[in-house]
Amino acid sequence: EVQLVQSGAEVKKPGESLRISCKGSGYPFTDYWIGWVRQMPGKGLEWMGIVYPADSDTRISPSVHDQVTMSTDRSITTAYLQWSSLKASDTAMYYCVRGSLRNFDSWGQGTLVTVSS
Amino acid sequence: QSALTQPRSVSGSPGKSVTISCTGTSSDVGSYDYVSWYQQHPGKAPKLMIYDVSKRPSGVPDRFSGSKSGNTASLTISGLQAEDAADYYCCSYVGSYTFVVFGGGTKLTVL
Repeated sequence: EVQLVQSGAEVKKPGESLRISCKGSGYPFTDYWIGWVRQMPGKGLEWMGIVYPADSDTRISPSVHDQVTMSTDRSITTAYLQWSSLKASDTAMYYCVRGSLRNFDSWGQGTLVTVSS
Repeated sequence: QSALTQPRSVSGSPGKSVTISCTGTSSDVGSYDYVSWYQQHPGKAPKLMIYDVSKRPSGVPDRFSGSKSGNTASLTISGLQAEDAADYYCCSYVGSYTFVVFGGGTKLTVL
């Protein structure tokens, strides 16, 4: 069974750094792109970007490309989404997804990030 | 790149059919057959319902179908059931700069 298990909820202050994780299992990790989708409170889905674990090829949405870093660690089949300086507007639920640029066939349970002073 | 345009809400009675539209442009929906649809129940992660315009993943009931005409994709749900009440999002590949864009979402109410 394909599973994407994400790290737990986070509460941070503006300006702090953060890395959230997503562990994939039940499938060959390096054969599928793995990406991130943001959902702000009460809002719709927003695609952030995607990484190919086999070679770290990364495609990031222009709307967030200078705000986040996406990476993977093949040895532990884990993907990461990282911020160096959080803003209040980063408050959202973040979902990791397996798939490609065409569709996302498996979703993690979501990680709620709250940024507040 | 703007989000794809979906109606804010649609409704239908049990057993009936509803169609949710997703309108883009000739640069996204009109150019690629990579439209997908996702169902999201409150407090849950989204679930893939349709990919590549009209293909159903294993396990998705055949009551769900997808199509595309020009710059508009559509999701049709026939034989509506109470559990179909959810938010539905379309999504499309939009090329090698913006890559992927979602629609704004449609809330389906089963009356």
